[in-house]
Amino acid sequence: AQSVTQLGSHVSVSEGALVLLRCNYSSSVPPYLFWYVQYPNQGLQLLLKYTTGATLVKGINGFEAEFKKSETSFHLTKPSAHMSDAAEYFCAVSLSSSNTGKLIFGQGTTLQVKP
Amino acid sequence: SQTIHQWPATLVQPVGSPLSLECTVEGTSNPNLYWYRQAAGRGLQLLFYSVGIGQISSEVPQNLSASRPQDRQFILSSKKLLLSDSGFYLCAWSWSTDTQYFGPGTRLTVL
Repeated sequence: AQSVTQLGSHVSVSEGALVLLRCNYSSSVPPYLFWYVQYPNQGLQLLLKYTTGATLVKGINGFEAEFKKSETSFHLTKPSAHMSDAAEYFCAVSLSSSNTGKLIFGQGTTLQVKP
Repeated sequence: SQTIHQWPATLVQPVGSPLSLECTVEGTSNPNLYWYRQAAGRGLQLLFYSVGIGQISSEVPQNLSASRPQDRQFILSSKKLLLSDSGFYLCAWSWSTDTQYFGPGTRLTVL
């Protein structure tokens, strides 16, 4: 069965500091991996995704993530945090072989950015 | 381009009352559709998904139901709401295994 674990339900960084949000997955088949961001009282917005090909994926707002199969990880990073990055972040995995498109989400990580 | 709508945006309902939340997608055909719930302090829980008209799969047993009367319309219903039904309800669509795109959500408070 697939699963996603996000390490750290709350992460706090200073403005300008590196952002690192951790995601590990479990999947018996090649996964598709996603990072979404959610601002308060809004829906989820796609930050980036990995399906096949290059393992370093660049997304919107300066975020990127690297797929590491050997570590079953897909950590999200941003070199320099902005106040506007404060939000909740979700990692998700889907089966590449399934036509249902179902996503398994992690529990989310709340990112706090301090001035 | 594709757009997803949800309404109402907020809803306050008494325990035992019925519920109907609507989700519609524009600009695409035959999408996969999904209903999620976010309870306070918890992650996303997939409630239902649909790969076509009249095809509904339920992920968790509960007093909610879903229907897809038209290709781009997905409805979440309940005959009698419980306090535990409170939460933020999100609808999403996708093409097969590709990205899910989320609507703005409905905040439901059951009193």
